[in-house]
Amino acid sequence: DAMVIQNPRYQVTQFGKPVTLSCSQTLNHNVMYWYQQKSSQAPKLLFHYYDKDFNNEADTPDNFQSRRPNTSFCFLDIRSPGLGDAAMYLCATSRDQQPQHFGDGTRLSIL
Amino acid sequence: AQSVTQPDIHITVSEGASLELRCNYSYGATPYLFWYVQSPGQGLQLLLKYFSGDTLVQGIKGFEAEFKRSQSSFNLRKPSVHWSDAAEYFCAVGPMEYGNKLVFGAGTILRVKS
Repeated sequence: DAMVIQNPRYQVTQFGKPVTLSCSQTLNHNVMYWYQQKSSQAPKLLFHYYDKDFNNEADTPDNFQSRRPNTSFCFLDIRSPGLGDAAMYLCATSRDQQPQHFGDGTRLSIL
Repeated sequence: AQSVTQPDIHITVSEGASLELRCNYSYGATPYLFWYVQSPGQGLQLLLKYFSGDTLVQGIKGFEAEFKRSQSSFNLRKPSVHWSDAAEYFCAVGPMEYGNKLVFGAGTILRVKS
């Protein structure tokens, strides 16, 4: 089945140690999004790619960056994770005027 | 500013009872509205969407929602709740431009008691 796949499902990293989360999709959607979701909160959009065009939300910390090497893959890089960055990170995709499809998320823990 | 309000943080219903989850929005133009469901540790699954046309929309898993422009509401309903419906439900609003950026409500946690 076509889907949005996030790896790993659980990631543990050390305070200040760079970490990369990955997202792949087989839907051939041109837009890919990264959300941060903290416990009992709504997802918060960090940034999105429309094709190769990167769109950063105004309040996304500089610590968070993203790469999209091709249509199918998108990465979230956290350069120096702090304790406040522990959260579920959700990847989503969409095309044209269709709703977003979400992956199952990566839960990030910071030691 | 765009916003979505889900007034109920938690709702508990008995299995087999009817359910209504409330959603109110503030949006400058004609909104596109969505309901998503999230089970613990999982991503968000689309239940249903409203773009235009019939204001009563049917979704998956027996859910429906009604768009009421005069009340700025998009409430989610189900006539008979099953234990497997226990999850968190998010209402979202957005434009149908490119990028489809959504604004989510804070979510409503549904508990189902037997």
